[in-house]
Amino acid sequence: EAGVVQSPRYKIIEKKQPVAFWCNPISGHNTLYWYLQNLGQGPELLIRYENEEAVDDSQLPKDRFSAERLKGVDSTLKIQPAELGDSAVYLCASSGAGGPTGELFFGEGSRLTVL
Amino acid sequence: EDQVTQSPEALRLQEGESSSLNCSYTVSGLRGLFWYRQDPGKGPEFLFTLYSAGEEKEKERLKATLTKKESFLHITAPKPEDSATYLCAVRRGSGGGADGLTFGKGTHLIIQP
Repeated sequence: EAGVVQSPRYKIIEKKQPVAFWCNPISGHNTLYWYLQNLGQGPELLIRYENEEAVDDSQLPKDRFSAERLKGVDSTLKIQPAELGDSAVYLCASSGAGGPTGELFFGEGSRLTVL
Repeated sequence: EDQVTQSPEALRLQEGESSSLNCSYTVSGLRGLFWYRQDPGKGPEFLFTLYSAGEEKEKERLKATLTKKESFLHITAPKPEDSATYLCAVRRGSGGGADGLTFGKGTHLIIQP
């Protein structure tokens, strides 16, 4: 069974440019998460979806970050415009249809470098 | 505000040298404490879930335990392939906020042959 797929794996952009990350969760997983991980830190939750509904986006910086999960499957996280401090790894995770149990399945992440 | 503190930040052991990693937490309405393993350039990989004080879980050379204030990840006779960053996380009870996990900073474990 395929795991959580993310792309691109690496992205280098200049500040003020836009960037988008894509995530395809495990088939059948209704809950999808976007986490941000800075170097030497644990992941921090940005947004959680239940199907296509964003049920918690309280930690998402809405002035520059946006996310969508059309049809309750794939998801896209966008940053516009990017700032130097946005350099980090953006992790996508999903969890099973039985509801969030804490057993999250993570993708390999998208590493963003903002110059 | 939920807090998860892991210690030590880094640990270097010789192969076969047993040790323990600590995770202390402050959370209202704990609905689970989780251990994940993260290899360089990869996403975290689930290891254990603990729900109540006194509970223990084992997997190969790893054993996780839970008290009301902290959790330990015991590593017995580790091998070089156990080298990774070990992350602890908590899931809060209901009452607002994310149903996702709050992670600690992790313990970077190196096992030398």
